[in-house]
Amino acid sequence: EVQLVQSGAEVKKPGESLRISCKSSGYSFDRYWITWVRQMPGKGLEWMGRIDPDDSDIKYGPSFQGHVTMSVDKSITTAYLQWSSLQASDTAMYYCARHSVTAPGAPFDFWGQGTPVTVSS
Amino acid sequence: SYELTQPPSVSVSPGQTASITCTGDKLGNRYASWYQQKPGQSPVLVISQDSKRPSGIPERFFGSNSGNTATLTISGTQAMDEADYYCQAWDGSTAVVFGGGTKLTVL
Repeated sequence: EVQLVQSGAEVKKPGESLRISCKSSGYSFDRYWITWVRQMPGKGLEWMGRIDPDDSDIKYGPSFQGHVTMSVDKSITTAYLQWSSLQASDTAMYYCARHSVTAPGAPFDFWGQGTPVTVSS
Repeated sequence: SYELTQPPSVSVSPGQTASITCTGDKLGNRYASWYQQKPGQSPVLVISQDSKRPSGIPERFFGSNSGNTATLTISGTQAMDEADYYCQAWDGSTAVVFGGGTKLTVL
């Protein structure tokens, strides 16, 4: 059974750093890209970017380039999303999802449960 | 940048057919996918590659894509179909794009 299990809720202060995780199981981790999606409170889905677990090739969405960093640890089949300096506007739910095939336009067939991040002073 | 436009809301009576549109420049030349998101839950893929239903998605969900518009059609709409629906496509370069979402109300 394919599963993507994300790390738990985070409450941080502006300027702090953060790394959230997405643990994959039930499939060959390095054969499927992982995408990250942001959903701000009461708003729609925004694509942040994707990472190829096989070679760590990354494509960031235009609004997120330079603001977040994606990475993977193949040894533990886990993808990460990190911030070096959080802002209040980073308050959102963050989802990881699997591309159904390794193609940029491929749909996302399995999703994590989401990690809520709250940034407040 | 490439944009996908959806109506903010659609209402339908139980048992009737609901249609949700997604408009983008030459969208018919790209694959469109659709996701259902219920309150407090993660999105679920309901249509991929314009019209393919993933395993477990009821046959009442149907997708089409032509010209500038992709359409998600739900026939015999049930109360359980009440949710937000998002279309998604690739911009042809490097980015994935989501539509703004449509809230489907079954009343």
